[in-house]
Formats: sequence, structure tokens, C-alpha cells
Amino acid sequence: DGGITQSPKYLFRKEGQNVTLSCEQNLNHDAMYWYRQDPGQGLRLIYYSQIVNDFQKGDIAEGYSVSREKKESFPLTVTSAQKNPTAFYLCASSMDRNYGYTFGSGTRLTVV
Amino acid sequence: AQSVAQPEDQVNVAEGNPLTVKCTYSVSGNPYLFWYVQYPNRGLQFLLKYITGDNLVKGSYGFEAEFNKSQTSFHLKKPSALVSDSALYFCAVRDLGDDKIIFGKGTRLHILP
Repeated sequence: DGGITQSPKYLFRKEGQNVTLSCEQNLNHDAMYWYRQDPGQGLRLIYYSQIVNDFQKGDIAEGYSVSREKKESFPLTVTSAQKNPTAFYLCASSMDRNYGYTFGSGTRLTVV
Repeated sequence: AQSVAQPEDQVNVAEGNPLTVKCTYSVSGNPYLFWYVQYPNRGLQFLLKYITGDNLVKGSYGFEAEFNKSQTSFHLKKPSALVSDSALYFCAVRDLGDDKIIFGKGTRLHILP
């Protein structure tokens, strides 16, 4: 079945560490997105990519980095510069502008 | 700039009664409108969308939404609520020509048995 796979489901990070969240899709979608979800704040866009080897900052890109070396993969690195990284992270993909998003099941990141 | 508002943080409805979850939007051009549902610790699931055509859009699980251009609204409705409809609902909008979708803050729907 086609879909988006996010891993791991739960991730714990120590202060000062970088961590990478995985997002893989087999839907042949060109566009991919990373959102952060905090209680009561909805979804906030971190980064998005319309095509391989190209990506754009969203509304809250500071402290995060991404790469898009393959169409299927769009990993997100949460760096030590992100001061409040504890959140639920959602990856999504889209075929084109006429369609909505398909979401992964999310990664819950906790700083310990 | 495009934006979307969900004026209610929470909606409580008795099982079997009709439900409405409100959404208003602001775009510079013609909107693409979406509703998504999220269950605890899960990603968002697509319910329905409006691109063009009939103002009443039917979606998954018996949900429907009515596009009202004059009121810039896209309220989600269901004639008879089920306890299993309890979840977090997001309205979203994409302006024609924009690369990304903007999401509302979500409305938590509680269906009371």
C-alpha cells in the first residue's frame, strides 16, 4: 500500500543533541512538508520541498534543517539551536496544488 | 495573506444529534478548502475538499461541508453524530497558485453518549 512512513514513533533527546526524524513516501508525490504540532496551536510549517534538491523555509524554520536528496525522502534534523523542541512532528506529501496532503502518523519528540 | 479561523476550541454534541464545526477563511483568490480529522497520537486524515463546483461537498464517514463564498465559510456538518466522531478537526485553505496549505488551530469535537 502507498503511504508515508515516519520513524521513529517516539524519540527522546538530551539537551544539546541533534536528532533526525525520518519521513519516507512511496506515493510518487513531488511535494513534501514538515509541520510541528503543539497543543492549542494547530499545525505550524517548518520546511517544505516542491522538488528534489530544493526546499524552502516555513514559518518556524529556526533550529531545524532538512535535505531532499531523493524524491521519496525528506528527513528533518532538530538541532541543538531549537530551544523548545518537545512537540509532535508531522510529515506530509502532496501530488500537486489541486490536492490536499497525505500525512504520516507522526513522531513525538521529547527532550529529557 | 491567506488565513483560516476555527472560532470554537471545543464543540460538545449529544450522540444522534446533528453537528456543525465552524470554519472561516481569507484568501486573495479562489480558495481550495479542506477538512481533516486527527485521532490521538496519529497523523491527520483527509475528510473532504472543495475545489470548484457544487457548494455542498460530501466526504468520508458521512461528513459534509458547505462552501459559502459570501460569508467566506466552510462549515463541517454531519446529520447524526456518533461517539466515534470524537476527535480533533482541522480546517485548511490553499490559495490558488500557492505552494502550501494553511491550517486552522483545530476544534475538538466531543460526542456525548
